[in-house]
Amino acid sequence: DAMVIQNPRYQVTQFGKPVTLSCSQTLNHNVMYWYQQKSSQAPKLLFHYYDKDFNNEADTPDNFQSRRPNTSFCFLDIRSPGLGDAAMYLCATSKKGSYNEQFFGPGTRLTVL
Amino acid sequence: AQSVTQLGSHVSVSEGALVLLRCNYSSSVPPYLFWYVQYPNQGLQLLLKYTTGATLVKGINGFEAEFKKSETSFHLTKPSAHMSDAAEYFCAVSDGGSSNTGKLIFGQGTTLQVKP
Repeated sequence: DAMVIQNPRYQVTQFGKPVTLSCSQTLNHNVMYWYQQKSSQAPKLLFHYYDKDFNNEADTPDNFQSRRPNTSFCFLDIRSPGLGDAAMYLCATSKKGSYNEQFFGPGTRLTVL
Repeated sequence: AQSVTQLGSHVSVSEGALVLLRCNYSSSVPPYLFWYVQYPNQGLQLLLKYTTGATLVKGINGFEAEFKKSETSFHLTKPSAHMSDAAEYFCAVSDGGSSNTGKLIFGQGTTLQVKP
C-alpha cells in the first residue's frame, strides 16, 4: 500500500544533542510537510517542500532545518534540542492539484532529556 | 485569510448516541474543507472532505458532514457513537482554495469521549 513512513516512531535525545527524524513516501507526491504537535494542540506547520522549493514558516525557530534529497525522502534536523522541543513530529504529503488534501505518517514522538 | 473554529474542545457522548462536532470556517475563496481524526500516538487520518459538488459528504467509519455556505459551517456527525470513536478530531480548510499554495489551516481540535 502507498503510504507515508516515519522513522523512528520514538526518539530520545539529550538536551543540545542534534537529532534527525526521517520521513519517506511511496505516494510520489510532490509536496512534503513537517509539523510539530504538542499535547492537546493542533499540528503546527514548521515548513514544507513544494517539489524542491523550500518554504519556511515565519515563526519556525532556526534550530529546525530540513532536507529533501529526492521526491521520496525528507528529513527534519533539530540542531540543538531544548526541553521545549519535546513533541510529536508529523510528516505529511500532498499532491499538486488535490486541494491540499494531506496524507500523514504515524509520527515520531521526541523526548528530550 | 482562512481560519477555522471548532466549538467545544471536549465533547462527551454515551455509546449509541448522536455525535456532533462543530466546525465553522472563514474563507475569502471557495473553501475546501476536511475532517481528520487522530488516535493517541498516531498521525492524522482523513475522515472526509468537501471540495465541490454535493454538500453532504460521507466518510469512513459512518461519519458524515454537511457544507453549509450560508452558515460557514462544516459540522461532523455520526448517528450512533461507538467506543472506538474516542479520539481527537480536527477540522481544516485549504489555504488558498484551489490554488494549492500548499497549506491546511487547522482548527484547535475536539476531543471526543465516548462513555459506555
